[in-house]
Amino acid sequence: DTEVTQTPKHLVMGMTNKKSLKCEQHMGHRAMYWYKQKAKKPPELMFVYSYEKLSINESVPSRFSPECPNSSLLNLHLHALQPEDSALYLCASSQEQGYGYTFGSGTRLTVV
Amino acid sequence: EDKVVQSPLSLVVHEGDTVTLNCSYEVTNFRSLLWYKQEKKAPTFLFMLTSSGIEKKSGRLSSILDKKELFSILNITATQTGDSAVYLCAGPRGSARQLTFGSGTQLTVLP
Repeated sequence: DTEVTQTPKHLVMGMTNKKSLKCEQHMGHRAMYWYKQKAKKPPELMFVYSYEKLSINESVPSRFSPECPNSSLLNLHLHALQPEDSALYLCASSQEQGYGYTFGSGTRLTVV
Repeated sequence: EDKVVQSPLSLVVHEGDTVTLNCSYEVTNFRSLLWYKQEKKAPTFLFMLTSSGIEKKSGRLSSILDKKELFSILNITATQTGDSAVYLCAGPRGSARQLTFGSGTQLTVLP
């Protein structure tokens, strides 16, 4: 299995909703990442988990809450989002040395 | 500060043309440079370059790295409309190898 699987593919949520994005990989990668990508911009790093521990938080607002239940799973919990948070959210994973960097297909999030 | 700069920002060509996309980088503790193609969804991996002067090829696409000049190019020969996409260059940085992306080159291939 050489894929990173993200669910759901599309999500529309209100500003008072709570939702979660899910990411799964079975390649034995020990680093997992969340990126946010706005239209016509490159992906921007949000969080990095290394060996299931949060190692980098790029000053992301607390309405985004990551979670890594085990080495194969990465969640992003969303609460009280703003319309400007609408974007493509990408999950990625890599081997420790950065080889095998693989992106999931993304979740397109719309906040209304 | 780590930096990846791509040029041109956009490019419009006709089918059959050859294009060259540029990427210059300044990444602390350089280990590799990656090229991705992005259409509507997630970036898809094209090449990873680690050694200077060694060309990587995949069909009509090829890429090469110059570590001395901190530069990489991506060539696409005999372009097709299906090559229309954003091409992203990225460098892994830091202990977690998080990617720093360039702004991308929007390539449009007209029939």
